[in-house]
Amino acid sequence: SQTIHQWPATLVQPVGSPLSLECTVEGTSNPNLYWYRQAAGRGLQLLFYSVGIGQISSEVPQNLSASRPQDRQFILSSKKLLLSDSGFYLCAWSVRRSNTEAFFGQGTRLTVV
Amino acid sequence: RKEVEQDPGPFNVPEGATVAFNCTYSNSASQSFFWYRQDCRKEPKLLMSVYSSGNEDGRFTAQLNRASQYISLLIRDSKLSDSATYLCVVNSWTAGRRALTFGSGTRLQVQP
Repeated sequence: SQTIHQWPATLVQPVGSPLSLECTVEGTSNPNLYWYRQAAGRGLQLLFYSVGIGQISSEVPQNLSASRPQDRQFILSSKKLLLSDSGFYLCAWSVRRSNTEAFFGQGTRLTVV
Repeated sequence: RKEVEQDPGPFNVPEGATVAFNCTYSNSASQSFFWYRQDCRKEPKLLMSVYSSGNEDGRFTAQLNRASQYISLLIRDSKLSDSATYLCVVNSWTAGRRALTFGSGTRLQVQP
């Protein structure tokens, strides 16, 4: 069966510090991978989308970046965090080239102070 | 106009009540549709897919109206454990990529 791991679960970082969130998927190959962000009391906003190694689409301008160094690894990064980067970050995967649903990791709750 | 729109609620209903949520989407080329459930401070989890013919899973019934670009979720005999936020989700090709677009969610509170 497929599983998705995301870590850390919670993170408190000062403004201006770097960020690295990691997500890995097991039990499937060539998945679509996604990073979403959810601000408090709000819906999910798609940040990045990847269909393969090194292929990243950015959905919104921001100071975040994403990388996919391996087929089942997706990393979200920032060089300098802003207060507005606080939120609930969710990694998800779906079967490539399909209309199927996505499955989420447990999320990282980031607080920038 | 948002791609996927939902009434944010909250819907406060007594146990045993029937409650319905609606959702509209703007992309007529959308290809698949889902309802997710999100508990407080947790990740969204798939509740059910939505098919053109309508589908039922126990107390939950989902319907799709492609002509009106409208999706619904009906919950019968509400339980306290149904309290959560329900997210309407649309899968479509947009700007050369396929991705899920989420509504902002409808919050349900079932009261004893």
